[in-house]
Amino acid sequence: NAGVTQTPKFQVLKTGQSMTLQCAQDMNHEYMSWYRQDPGMGLRLIHYSVGAGITDQGEVPNGYNVSRSTTEDFPLRLLSAAPSQTSVYFCASSYQGSSNYGYTFGSGTRLTIV
Amino acid sequence: GQQVMQIPQYQHVQEGEDFTTYCNSSTTLSNIQWYKQRPGGHPVFLIQLVKSGEVKKQKRLTFQFGEAKKNSSLHITATQTTDVGTYFCAGRRGAQKLVFGQGTRLTINP
Repeated sequence: NAGVTQTPKFQVLKTGQSMTLQCAQDMNHEYMSWYRQDPGMGLRLIHYSVGAGITDQGEVPNGYNVSRSTTEDFPLRLLSAAPSQTSVYFCASSYQGSSNYGYTFGSGTRLTIV
Repeated sequence: GQQVMQIPQYQHVQEGEDFTTYCNSSTTLSNIQWYKQRPGGHPVFLIQLVKSGEVKKQKRLTFQFGEAKKNSSLHITATQTTDVGTYFCAGRRGAQKLVFGQGTRLTINP
C-alpha cells in the first residue's frame, strides 16, 4: 500500500495564479482532510470530507476549494494564490467509523507564493 | 472555538535527560492523540488516549490523559538522539475533526 500520496512535493507560484494540490489514498479511508503548517502555528485544518460527495470547512478555509468525487481522491484548489498561502500543506486520512485510528499523513507539499 | 494549547514551544535537552510536553484544552475532549514529526517529515501517529486518567506507555514514552479529559502529557525518559522532532497533541470533541496543538520542538545535545 502506498498510503497517502501528495503531489507535487514542491511548487512555486506567482501571486494570482491558481493550482491544485493532489491527494490520493489507497486505504479505503472515508475521512480525508487538508492541513496547513506554518511556523509556531501547528497544523490548522483547511477543509475536510467524511465521504465521497461530502465536504466541509475547517478553521482556515478562505482561498481554498475542495471536492470529493471518489473515496480515494481529495484535491485542494487554490483559486488565486496569495503570499499568505505560502506554507506546507498536508493531506491526512483515517477511518470514519471508529475513533480508534490515528490519521495517516502524506509527505506534504511545500508551496511558495511569490 | 475549541483550542488546544501545548507547552513548551521548544525544549533543548542533553541526551539522557527526560523530556515532558503538556497539552491543555479549553473544552472536555472525547479523546486525544499524539503525533511525532521528524525534521523535514510529516506527522506520524503515536497513540490515542480515550479514558479519563488513562496512562499508556510505549517503551520510554509515557502518555497521560487528565481526569477531567482536558489535559494530557507526553513524557520521554532518558532521551536519545532518535527522539528529535516536534511532538503534537491533537484533541477531538465528538466529531471527527482533530484540533492540533502548536507542537513542542525537541532538540537534543548528544
